[in-house]
Amino acid sequence: GENVEQHPSTLSVQEGDSAVIKCTYSDSASNYFPWYKQELGKGPQLIIDIRSNVGEKKDQRIAVTLNKTAKHFSLHITETQPEDSAVYFCAASIQGYQKVTFGTGTKLQVIP
Amino acid sequence: GAVVSQHPSWVICKSGTSVKIECRSLDFQATTMFWYRQFPKQSLMLMATSNEGSKATYEQGVEKDKFLINHASLTLSTLTVTSAHPEDSSFYICSAGTGGPSTDTQYFGPGTRLTVL
Repeated sequence: GENVEQHPSTLSVQEGDSAVIKCTYSDSASNYFPWYKQELGKGPQLIIDIRSNVGEKKDQRIAVTLNKTAKHFSLHITETQPEDSAVYFCAASIQGYQKVTFGTGTKLQVIP
Repeated sequence: GAVVSQHPSWVICKSGTSVKIECRSLDFQATTMFWYRQFPKQSLMLMATSNEGSKATYEQGVEKDKFLINHASLTLSTLTVTSAHPEDSSFYICSAGTGGPSTDTQYFGPGTRLTVL
């Protein structure tokens, strides 16, 4: 089955700096890669996703890149703000099957 | 759009009792719903996949007789933890998807905190 590794497990940045979270996956059949933000005591919230036919996707301060050959994808948050502090999960799935495999999570702390 | 609710948001019960958790898709029909379990500071662990009108598919190691799942309609799935014990205390989260080859985004509920005394 699919295995998703995520690094780093914790990340502290100064407000205004950029944050990068990296993930690798094992199943070459995976072609849908969502990213979720989870605040304490709440369910995960989809923040951005990317499909295998695209190498990069951007939504305001958030961007995701995908390298299918290397089987890794990354989340980039620019101009970080304190409200970006949360746990971020990457995930991978095969389009149409919906079963998602999650990474281990990254706790992001943005220091004011 | 794409809102998923869960009820209750938290529940405390005595050991040996059963607890039912509801998951509803409020503004879309969910052909598939998923149930996850999350321990503190850990990732989400998929417990089972339920499709409307059919039996749930459980992940390896998940006791189907302990975690009963019913997906009675396209907007409602329930998880019943039977004969709960303290080790069942966890954060349970459901998600719902609309299905189809290009609409496989999952939307998550807010979670239910279960504490078994």
